[in-house]
Amino acid sequence: DAGITQSPRYKITETGRQVTLMCHQTWSHSYMFWYRQDLGHGLRLIYYSAAADITDKGEVPDGYVVSRSKTENFPLTLESATRSQTSVYFCASLVDAGGPVDTQYFGPGTRLTVL
Amino acid sequence: DAKTTQPNSMESNEEEPVHLPCNHSTISGTDYIHWYRQLPSQGPEYVIHGLTSNVNNRMASLAIAEDRKSSTLILHRATLRDAAVYYCILRNGGSQGNLIFGKGTKLSVKP
Repeated sequence: DAGITQSPRYKITETGRQVTLMCHQTWSHSYMFWYRQDLGHGLRLIYYSAAADITDKGEVPDGYVVSRSKTENFPLTLESATRSQTSVYFCASLVDAGGPVDTQYFGPGTRLTVL
Repeated sequence: DAKTTQPNSMESNEEEPVHLPCNHSTISGTDYIHWYRQLPSQGPEYVIHGLTSNVNNRMASLAIAEDRKSSTLILHRATLRDAAVYYCILRNGGSQGNLIFGKGTKLSVKP
């Protein structure tokens, strides 16, 4: 199906473990984003990517690593999970960030719990 | 990006119009006004956007003040499915493309 998907949808892990959240889009959009959403904070940008092999930090990048070897995939890795990384993670894509009218499309989210 | 201010919550009755306000007094001339909404347990979705003129689409209408310091999202007939958090966001072409989310307005719709 066309669109943007995230996996897993739910994940429980333990402090110190490595976790990778997957994001896949079928539109070949240039830009992709990772946000986290916590109660009382709204969505905050973790990392973004303007194209394959081009990534950059957002507002809250500490503790996260991203890669983008293919246009359609943008995995987010927590190298050593901490309880403060318990959150809902949303992936998003955008055709081109150059235009102020472009619509951003969001995935369904991954709810991550770190025990 | 310029900041927006929205009420924390609003209530509406089903099948009645809803007017969701947003203040953006520091908006620049190149900022577009975007609205997104987030239904429970889902990712945000685009609703509408505008620059200066009022805009209509199948989901909603956007009324923009003449001085552009405020705008109003109008849902003409609220349904239970419209219960969501609505975000008013300013965007210009110089940004890296990400959206800067505030806390939005939580809309409750009563049957």
